[in-house]
Amino acid sequence: AQKVTQAQTEISVVEKEDVTLDCVYETRDTTYYLFWYKQPPSGELVFLIRRNSFDEQNEISGRYSWNFQKSTSSFNFTITASQVVDSAVYFCALSEAETGGFKTIFGAGTRLFVKA
Amino acid sequence: SQTIHQWPATLVQPVGSPLSLECTVEGTSNPNLYWYRQAAGRGLQLLFYSVGIGQISSEVPQNLSASRPQDRQFILSSKKLLLSDSGFYLCAWSATRGGLAGSEQYFGPGTRLTVT
Repeated sequence: AQKVTQAQTEISVVEKEDVTLDCVYETRDTTYYLFWYKQPPSGELVFLIRRNSFDEQNEISGRYSWNFQKSTSSFNFTITASQVVDSAVYFCALSEAETGGFKTIFGAGTRLFVKA
Repeated sequence: SQTIHQWPATLVQPVGSPLSLECTVEGTSNPNLYWYRQAAGRGLQLLFYSVGIGQISSEVPQNLSASRPQDRQFILSSKKLLLSDSGFYLCAWSATRGGLAGSEQYFGPGTRLTVT
């Protein structure tokens, strides 16, 4: 069965600190997709990144970077030099291609507070 | 560019009353459409998804139903609301490329429903 665990419920940092949000997933499929979404206080989820199971290259987009490691079933998200605008709830999600491919499983989310 | 609309933004309804939430997508054809519910402080729960007009799949047995009368219109309904139906309802769409599993989802602004 597929499962996504975000063990950090809340994280609080001071502006300009680096912060890593952890995501551990479980799946029996060999083809799957991982996602990160951001939910600011307004409530609308914003897509950040998509990764397929065959691409373990880390990705960097500005201050955001993602570390995908199949060996540990983790897909961690790092924000460098955090800013107040980064305050939001971040969700990691998993979707399997072979079994019920429509179903994206979301983690419980990590609430990030960035203080000025 | 694609946009997704949801209305109403907020709704307060008494127990036992009917419900109709509407979602429309612009700027794309034949999208996959989804309804999610997010309880306070929790992750997202997939309620329904649709791959085409009139094609609805239900994930969670409940007193809610969904319909897709047009390609880019998705409606969430209930004949009689329960207290437990309170939550934040999000509509989302994804492109059909890459199949259901591989596509990222784009979310609407959500409807906050309070059942009293």
